[in-house]
Amino acid sequence: KQEVTQIPAALSVPEGENLVLNCSFTDSAIYNLQWFRQDPGKGLTSLLLIQSSQREQTSGRLNASLDKSSGRSTLYIAASQPGDSATYLCAVMNRDDKIIFGKGTRLHILP
Amino acid sequence: KAGVTQTPRYLIKTRGQQVTLSCSPISGHRSVSWYQQTPGQGLQFLFEYFSETQRNKGNFPGRFSGRQFSNSRSEMNVSTLELGDSALYLCASSLAGLAGGPKNIQYFGAGTRLSVL
Repeated sequence: KQEVTQIPAALSVPEGENLVLNCSFTDSAIYNLQWFRQDPGKGLTSLLLIQSSQREQTSGRLNASLDKSSGRSTLYIAASQPGDSATYLCAVMNRDDKIIFGKGTRLHILP
Repeated sequence: KAGVTQTPRYLIKTRGQQVTLSCSPISGHRSVSWYQQTPGQGLQFLFEYFSETQRNKGNFPGRFSGRQFSNSRSEMNVSTLELGDSALYLCASSLAGLAGGPKNIQYFGAGTRLSVL
């Protein structure tokens, strides 16, 4: 049974710093992995999607990597800004088309 | 281009009642997926509809059901509500569905917050 874990559950970082969010999964037979952000009281916004055959994806200040063999993905945020404060969730799509979410990392960027 | 619209935004029901939530996807999107988000369990997948057919289903009891219309709008129904059904219900739409490769990027609505008293 696929399990997705995100550690830490919460993180506070001074503005301007680079940071890394972690996501691990137990079954490496995934179809893809996606990173989302969720602002309080709102839905999710897709940030990056990595296909199983890919190693990383980049969008602006964000870079997501995928290592299937170790069951890990990281989301790197460069030069953090207060507007980056949100909950970040990763989700894996299994080969049986089931999507499993982690419980998220609540990120707070300190001005 | 309008985003994913969920109605109503807030709903209060009592135990034993039933509820219907609505989701209008982005124009042109044929896939609609539904999720339940609670503080304890996090975000869990309910089901996916694609071209009016349920294509995928999570591990929820039969009290949770859905349907999709020919215009891709989708409804989710929960019967015999329980206190534990209190949650934020999110829907997401995409062009090609959950297994649609790069085109399966999902766009989420703001959700319907259901409170069961």
